[in-house]
Amino acid sequence: QKEVEQDPGPLSVPEGAIVSLNCTYSNSAFQYFMWYRQYSRKGPELLMYTYSSGNKEDGRFTAQVDKSSKYISLFIRDSQPSDSATYLCAMSGGSEKLVFGKGTKLTVNP
Amino acid sequence: DTAVSQTPKYLVTQMGNDKSIKCEQNLGHDTMYWYKQDSKKFLKIMFSYNNKELIINETVPNRFSPKSPDKAHLNLHINSLELGDSAVYFCASRGRLSYEQYFGPGTRLTVT
Repeated sequence: QKEVEQDPGPLSVPEGAIVSLNCTYSNSAFQYFMWYRQYSRKGPELLMYTYSSGNKEDGRFTAQVDKSSKYISLFIRDSQPSDSATYLCAMSGGSEKLVFGKGTKLTVNP
Repeated sequence: DTAVSQTPKYLVTQMGNDKSIKCEQNLGHDTMYWYKQDSKKFLKIMFSYNNKELIINETVPNRFSPKSPDKAHLNLHINSLELGDSAVYFCASRGRLSYEQYFGPGTRLTVT
């Protein structure tokens, strides 16, 4: 079993839809959880950062962590065409190493 | 101001050549990383340096050698380039009190 599993998609939604992106993980030592957004031919850009379990909201974005289920989610409300990108989950147990999911490619259609 | 910068942005070279990629961060971070992103977009860590000291060295061929002249710079030298080295290489940095990493724009390496 891979340390971090993420459905690569692609995921295509109409503008205004609520998008749900998810990752599962196997390493119970992970405590720090991040979501990165990567536009085509650009570097990953940090979107959300959560420590341990719980929810965090930032504008149209909500990150959720359920450590008991080893499951993290990113919700995007009122999705826009500019949200079209690849979304990567990443996590760490507190060491230097960040483990990434394979990314989910999202397209928001106008 | 660009927080994490890399040069060159594109690099096309022939098999067997030796090439270097440079990275600089102006965030005052202590830790820097090199990642490789393959054609399937999978991002995998290669090396990590903390204050010029090698911390992480994943299973990477020894043709790849990182060098950190100071904590703001981390370069990657690749000897005897192979076709399989074609990928996008990203530099990243992290502050001492945080686990968030900030990425550069990437260097797209093509080996022909």
